[in-house]
Amino acid sequence: RKEVEQDPGPFNVPEGATVAFNCTYSNSASQSFFWYRQDCRKEPKLLMSVYSSGNEDGRFTAQLNRASQYISLLIRDSKLSDSATYLCVVGEGGFKTIFGAGTRLFVKA
Amino acid sequence: NAGVTQTPKFRILKIGQSMTLQCAQDMNHNYMYWYRQDPGMGLKLIYYSVGAGITDKGEVPNGYNVSRSTTEDFPLRLELAAPSQTSVYFCASSIDRVDGYTFGSGTRLTVV
Repeated sequence: RKEVEQDPGPFNVPEGATVAFNCTYSNSASQSFFWYRQDCRKEPKLLMSVYSSGNEDGRFTAQLNRASQYISLLIRDSKLSDSATYLCVVGEGGFKTIFGAGTRLFVKA
Repeated sequence: NAGVTQTPKFRILKIGQSMTLQCAQDMNHNYMYWYRQDPGMGLKLIYYSVGAGITDKGEVPNGYNVSRSTTEDFPLRLELAAPSQTSVYFCASSIDRVDGYTFGSGTRLTVV
């Protein structure tokens, strides 16, 4: 089993749609969780940290389920500009940070 | 605010050549990292540093070396380049080890 696993997609959705990504992680002792966004041929950029209580930033909502060892990202009212690859990142403690391979999202007009 | 600056953006090396990838940050972050990203794979940690004068190996350090003489700069050295080192290299920094990272724009390296 991969340490951090994401559905590679691609997810193709129309503008205005709601789309959700899940990510599973293997180490139950993992301590920190993030979602990054990476545009084609660009660097990853931090989208949001993920907390046990869940957190929201505008159209984006992140959830953490420690019991089932997954994190999720929900994007509401998708925009064309949301088209990107979304990376799930899990910190296992120390300097072991595991990056998922990413989920590609295409939002179409 | 420049953030994390990487140079060069692109480079083609011949097998056996050496080069240094430069990375500088102006955010006074103690923690700095070098990652490589291969197609379809997650980023892999090459080396990291927790402050000036302190460096340590990550997951894939073979064929690379680093130094951290100042808080701002964290260059990555490739000695005897091999085709397996063809990749995109990202430098990153963070305030703390549990915080999110700020990445540089990357260096696309091809070894032929």
